[in-house]
Amino acid sequence: GAGVSQSPRYKVAKRGQDVALRCDPISGHVSLFWYQQALGQGPEFLTYFQNEAQLDKSGLPSDRFFAERPEGSVSTLKIQRTQQEDSAVYLCASSLPPNTGELFFGEGSRLTVL
Amino acid sequence: QQQVKQSPQSLIVQKGGISIINCAYENTAFDYFPWYQQFPGKGPALLIAIRPDVSEKKEGRFTISFNKSAKQFSLHIMDSQPGDSATYFCAASKQTGANNLFFGTGTRLTVIP
Repeated sequence: GAGVSQSPRYKVAKRGQDVALRCDPISGHVSLFWYQQALGQGPEFLTYFQNEAQLDKSGLPSDRFFAERPEGSVSTLKIQRTQQEDSAVYLCASSLPPNTGELFFGEGSRLTVL
Repeated sequence: QQQVKQSPQSLIVQKGGISIINCAYENTAFDYFPWYQQFPGKGPALLIAIRPDVSEKKEGRFTISFNKSAKQFSLHIMDSQPGDSATYFCAASKQTGANNLFFGTGTRLTVIP
């Protein structure tokens, strides 16, 4: 399809494991965002890329969280040594260059840490 | 600190009624105010958006009212339908630089037949 694709859709990890979540944005979209959505809450900003450059990572909750977008297309969000409080849906969104406003979201990756 | 405050948390409306959801913000640098609709298991999808140079925007049954001086905006859904049952998020962003959105906490709308 032509939308934002995320994988895996569901991930169960034991506490302390590392996980990697993938986002494939809409072709041609320059901007890419990662959000964290806890159960019953609104999405919270994690980090932002413009092409391959990570321009804002102020929302990453700890140094266990790392994101990359090496070729300016697919992005990976990595969480090291997962904790129970990391359990959430991780949403990826992409958009055309700034000023268009609209973010196109994927369906998210639901992470459950046991 | 919540940059956008949203109420109510949940809302039940009869089919054909009007659903109203309210939001408030503090940062006067925000200049783009969208509403997103989210169904269970799906990502949020843009419903309607407004910029502060207008006080109202209408698209079909959906209307945003914007009060710049009060730093408040609201979503009105006219003739609410069971298919409108979803979670609605208001959001705000600055259009200069990164346009990352700051979301409200969401309103779960249920429209009963």
